[in-house]
Amino acid sequence: EAQVTQNPRYLITVTGKKLTVTCSQNMNHEYMSWYRQDPGLGLRQIYYSMNVEVTDKGDVPEGYKVSRKEKRNFPLILESPSPNQTSLYFCASSLHYNSPLHFGNGTRLTVT
Amino acid sequence: QKEVEQNSGPLSVPEGAIASLNCTYSDRGSQSFFWYRQYSGKSPELIMFIYSNGDKEDGRFTAQLNKASQYVSLLIRDSQPSDSATYLCAVNILDNYGQNFVFGPGTRLSVLP
Repeated sequence: EAQVTQNPRYLITVTGKKLTVTCSQNMNHEYMSWYRQDPGLGLRQIYYSMNVEVTDKGDVPEGYKVSRKEKRNFPLILESPSPNQTSLYFCASSLHYNSPLHFGNGTRLTVT
Repeated sequence: QKEVEQNSGPLSVPEGAIASLNCTYSDRGSQSFFWYRQYSGKSPELIMFIYSNGDKEDGRFTAQLNKASQYVSLLIRDSQPSDSATYLCAVNILDNYGQNFVFGPGTRLSVLP
């Protein structure tokens, strides 16, 4: 089944403890992107990647890192999480820019 | 700053009525336009996409695109309570490394039984 898989679905952690949210797609998509969604603020882009080894900042990149070493994987790394990074995170992928985005099921992160 | 704007709503319509959702965008070079539906706490799901000026119909949904006026709309006919959700407009724009997607803030639709 064609899909975007995010893990974990739920994560509760403490301030400063490094974490990684994984994202993998099995559709050979070139484009991948991470978003965070907070009440009343809509989807805000964190980072995106046009292809392997090509990444760029979105609207809210501070406090996040990404890497795109393989086409299928695009992990989101929080080196030192803070409570203001508590949010619902979505990974998405697309075959190319004119194709629709396919979203993962989301990761609800709570940083205490 | 490339922008996509939508009325945040809530937009309330009675069951069976037509719901009309609007979206405007700032980048004249945008070529593809998408409508997503999102239920609370769930991931966005694609409803329709449109590339050319005019109307595109799929079941109860019609997307309308007017590139000269830089707006795209979504009509939902025979609205049902299950259509109550937030509707996100997404546009592709030209960015540093090529194309990127920009989302509007979403319009919350409430269909009243």
